[in-house]
Amino acid sequence: LAKTTQPISMDSYEGQEVNITCSHNNIATNDYITWYQQFPSQGPRFIIQGYKTKVTNEVASLFIPADRKSSTLSLPRVSLSDTAVYYCLVPFGGYNKLIFGAGTRLAVHP
Amino acid sequence: EAEVAQSPRYKITEKSQAVAFWCDPISGHATLYWYRQILGQGPELLVQFQDESVVDDSQLPKDRFSAERLKGVDSTLKIQPAELGDSAMYLCASSFWREGRGTGELFFGEGSRLTVL
Repeated sequence: LAKTTQPISMDSYEGQEVNITCSHNNIATNDYITWYQQFPSQGPRFIIQGYKTKVTNEVASLFIPADRKSSTLSLPRVSLSDTAVYYCLVPFGGYNKLIFGAGTRLAVHP
Repeated sequence: EAEVAQSPRYKITEKSQAVAFWCDPISGHATLYWYRQILGQGPELLVQFQDESVVDDSQLPKDRFSAERLKGVDSTLKIQPAELGDSAMYLCASSFWREGRGTGELFFGEGSRLTVL
């Protein structure tokens, strides 16, 4: 049922920049794109949200092209503590229904 | 910082027993979600409330699961009878979202881990 598609897993090394791309071909005009991070045995945590172009906060950047059919989460200079599952979500239908896919498992190596 | 409260944090029960989970969302949040997460998978939406009304329960196994949010504040998710396959993390989330207002960020609780023996 997920409206988004993202890689199942990625590997990186400490200090590198990591880019995770999500496809959301059927995004509606007014939908925001939101990314969450989840560590084992914890609930997902909001990372960043955007509607178009570029959004940056203290932990990540989100790039959204003009057609909005994809988005890229960029994590600068990752550390071991960034090892987690990352989910890309867009609302599904009305009432802000949010369905999680399998997410992207990011493993950061020393 | 306001948080979503969930209890119990851990629950071990035997097959065919009843179990209940409680969630207290962030004050003022109109939308409340219950998700189930099996180890290694993404969270699965079970039920979504807008105030006290259910707006989506299409994935809720209604023969054994029930959920309520009587006054539009806290919520209870019940399983009766529990089955082995119900072993999972049950996550509650809330959002400020209302139609035409808010961008829908979800705030999750720490979850309730259920083990059915």
